[in-house]
Amino acid sequence: DVKVTQSSRYLVKRTGEKVFLECVQDMDHENMFWYRQDPGLGLRLIYFSYDVKMKEKGDIPEGYSVSREKKERFSLILESASTNQTSMYLCASRDTSYEQYFGPGTRLTVT
Amino acid sequence: RKEVEQDPGPFNVPEGATVAFNCTYSNSASQSFFWYRQDCRKEPKLLMSVYSSGNEDGRFTAQLNRASQYISLLIRDSKLSDSATYLCAVKNTGGFKTIFGAGTRLFVKA
Repeated sequence: DVKVTQSSRYLVKRTGEKVFLECVQDMDHENMFWYRQDPGLGLRLIYFSYDVKMKEKGDIPEGYSVSREKKERFSLILESASTNQTSMYLCASRDTSYEQYFGPGTRLTVT
Repeated sequence: RKEVEQDPGPFNVPEGATVAFNCTYSNSASQSFFWYRQDCRKEPKLLMSVYSSGNEDGRFTAQLNRASQYISLLIRDSKLSDSATYLCAVKNTGGFKTIFGAGTRLFVKA
């Protein structure tokens, strides 16, 4: 079974803090994604990566950056957390059949 | 218009009922189609891919209608445990992203 893990299930940070969310997959997938999910808005793509050191902006990249130094690891960085970044963050990896596998999510609260 | 649209529901059905959801997509170049299930406060999980000829997995049947640009999911003999949000997803030819619908909520009641 594909396994995608995320570093934290719940996180509480203060406004202005730098926040790191880490995601690791164990299936050697090239494609990885970061989404946020908010009630009524569905899944929104923040960034994706199609290979090591390669990254592309998704639909809502403002206020975020990413890092992919190793194939199995894709990190999301909130440079200066703000209250409107309170959300559920979901990482996913995708296989060659385009099936996506999600991590358990990180519920981030910014106060 | 959104690229992928779903009726948000909720669909409230009794146990044993048959229920069907549709999902429309706007890009005729779409090539790959999926249904995901998401339980409350959990991550989406792949339920099934949707093949051109339609496919079935137990009580679940997925169909693709390219002419009308929609996919469907039929659940027969609904169980209480089928209560969840069902997301459709579409991958376009030549594009990198998978586009997700906002989901349809299903409640199955005893």
